[in-house]
Amino acid sequence: KAGVTQTPRYLIKTRGQQVTLSCSPISGHRSVSWYQQTPGQGLQFLFEYFSETQRNKGNFPGRFSGRQFSNSRSEMNVSTLELGDSALYLCASSLRTSGGWNEQFFGPGTRLTVL
Amino acid sequence: DQQVKQNSPSLSVQEGRISILNCDYTNSMFDYFLWYKKYPAEGPTFLISISSIKDKNEDGRFTVFLNKSAKHLSLHIVPSQPGDSAVYFCAASGTNFGNEKLTFGTGTRLTIIP
Repeated sequence: KAGVTQTPRYLIKTRGQQVTLSCSPISGHRSVSWYQQTPGQGLQFLFEYFSETQRNKGNFPGRFSGRQFSNSRSEMNVSTLELGDSALYLCASSLRTSGGWNEQFFGPGTRLTVL
Repeated sequence: DQQVKQNSPSLSVQEGRISILNCDYTNSMFDYFLWYKKYPAEGPTFLISISSIKDKNEDGRFTVFLNKSAKHLSLHIVPSQPGDSAVYFCAASGTNFGNEKLTFGTGTRLTIIP
């Protein structure tokens, strides 16, 4: 079974630009979560999508947004990029069955550098 | 406010000895705790978990201990092997937050010395 895939793997942008990152979950997984990893803060939860709806949201400004398509693929968008947005962006997929925690499988991440 | 803390950024252990990684949390609403392992250029992979109704969970060389009164958990790796060298993240979730929302610590880099 193929794992979680993220594209692109590396991206360089300049301040003020916008960027779109893509995540394809494991086949059959309907939940996709996004995390930002920075050296000082570790992994921080951005948001989770399930059945094309945002189910949960972290403490990030509105410049960070996402969406999920009917095939469960998800995109994350960051507008008006700032230097501090430079980070590794990870997505994770899970089955999200009812009643308790479901193992999350992470992709390799997209390394975003903002100049 | 860092709700999950890993106060040791790095740890070096001799091969064959025990590795102990520690994690503290502040939010008493967390009811599920996990450890993830991360190699460079890869996403984190799930290692072991523990529910708040237990105080110990074992899986092969890996054991996680939970002390709810101290809001502390630890991961023991015995015996440590060179392939265990990686960054280890402690994470927590809670039914009240949505189980898919994980709160991570900042990680501990474990180096196993041959």
